[in-house]
Amino acid sequence: QKEVEQNSGPLSVPEGAIASLNCTYSDRVSQSFFWYRQYSGKSPELIMSIYSNGDKEDGRFTAQLNKASQYVSLLIRDSQPSDSATYLCAVKGRKGGATNKLIFGTGTLLAVQP
Amino acid sequence: DAGVIQSPRHEVTEMGQEVTLRCKPISGHDYLFWYRQTMMRGLELLIYFNNNVPIDDSGMPEDRFSAKMPNASFSTLKIQPSEPRDSAVYFCASRSTGSSNQPQHFGDGTRLSIL
Repeated sequence: QKEVEQNSGPLSVPEGAIASLNCTYSDRVSQSFFWYRQYSGKSPELIMSIYSNGDKEDGRFTAQLNKASQYVSLLIRDSQPSDSATYLCAVKGRKGGATNKLIFGTGTLLAVQP
Repeated sequence: DAGVIQSPRHEVTEMGQEVTLRCKPISGHDYLFWYRQTMMRGLELLIYFNNNVPIDDSGMPEDRFSAKMPNASFSTLKIQPSEPRDSAVYFCASRSTGSSNQPQHFGDGTRLSIL
């Protein structure tokens, strides 16, 4: 089992719809979770972080965390073509030097259709 | 402010040649990370440094890979000898001190092709 799993997609949504991106992780005691966006040919950039169960909202983005189910999601409301990118879920290591390490999923490709 | 600077942006070389990738972290950042990204395996951490000292190199695939950080503003990742399976995009990232939840800032990457 991979440590961080994501559906590779592509996830295709029409402009203006809600895009829902999902991620599961294997280490039950992981504490910190991150969503990075990566445009084609570009580097990853951090868009959201979440540490507690529940929802965290930032503009059109909402991160959701359920530690009991070991599940993290990212919702993008009012999706725009400019949101088309690969979204990487990352989980931070839980103790010692591993807390400085991020473990990334392979990413979900989102395509927003005009 | 300048971001993380990597060079070269693209490298094409023949199998068996030595490859050196370079990285200049953001000034003041004392953590530096080297990642490799492929379609099959995604983004993998190879090694990271704190205050120029290698802390965890467990992701380095084999002895052909080595990394150094001689000072706070420069790091290299070297592959010798290179093999076609080393073809990937290599990213360098840096992070400031303090909470480990501080974001990592990525460079533009080096796209490496080994023929």
